[in-house]
Amino acid sequence: QVQLQESGPGLVKPSETLSLTCTVSGYPIYRSFYWGWLRQAPGKGLEWIASFSQSGSPAYNPSLRSRVTISADTSNNLFSLRLSSVTAADTAVYYCARDRAQQYFDSWGRGTLVTVSA
Amino acid sequence: EIVLAQSPGTLSLSPGERATLSCRASQGVSNNYLAWYQQRPDQAPRLLIYGAYTRAAGIPDRFSGSVSGTDFTLTISGLEPEDFAVYYCQQYGSSRTFGQGTKVEIK
Repeated sequence: QVQLQESGPGLVKPSETLSLTCTVSGYPIYRSFYWGWLRQAPGKGLEWIASFSQSGSPAYNPSLRSRVTISADTSNNLFSLRLSSVTAADTAVYYCARDRAQQYFDSWGRGTLVTVSA
Repeated sequence: EIVLAQSPGTLSLSPGERATLSCRASQGVSNNYLAWYQQRPDQAPRLLIYGAYTRAAGIPDRFSGSVSGTDFTLTISGLEPEDFAVYYCQQYGSSRTFGQGTKVEIK
């Protein structure tokens, strides 16, 4: 059974870059499936950020694309998110998830809260 | 961008009752590419339904999905205590967007 775990700083200063890692166990990320990042601002709904697959091109939410980088480390079976030039509006719980063919998300990490504040 | 409007915002029901949740798309969703998720407090979302109708692995058959045009519905046939949660719809016909959620609370 696949398991995902997010990790990274819980506090980031405005204008800096948010960096998170998702460690995957139970399934090698270099095989099939896409892997993605989503977020949920406090008291708000869900927002998809980006997804990637080792065999395909990454996909991005158009509203965030200019600030997002997604990458993978297959030797350690993990993937990462970088979101640049953050503001308070980027404060959210960030989730990593398995993305079925760039469609829906069938396994999720528990999420990690990132606060943007000076 | 396809906007998903979920209604009602909050649904107050008793255990054993039937819950009907609506998700209306601002335009057609290709191939009825719509999923439903359940999110319990302080937990990650859990996939319930994909392709508008298909239950994900391990999801009880009291959960069902249907569609009519741009109106998608999630029905819970008899609420169990663990079903009181927030439910989100998500379309994947054009990029990916989510609705704002419906909270099902105990009456």
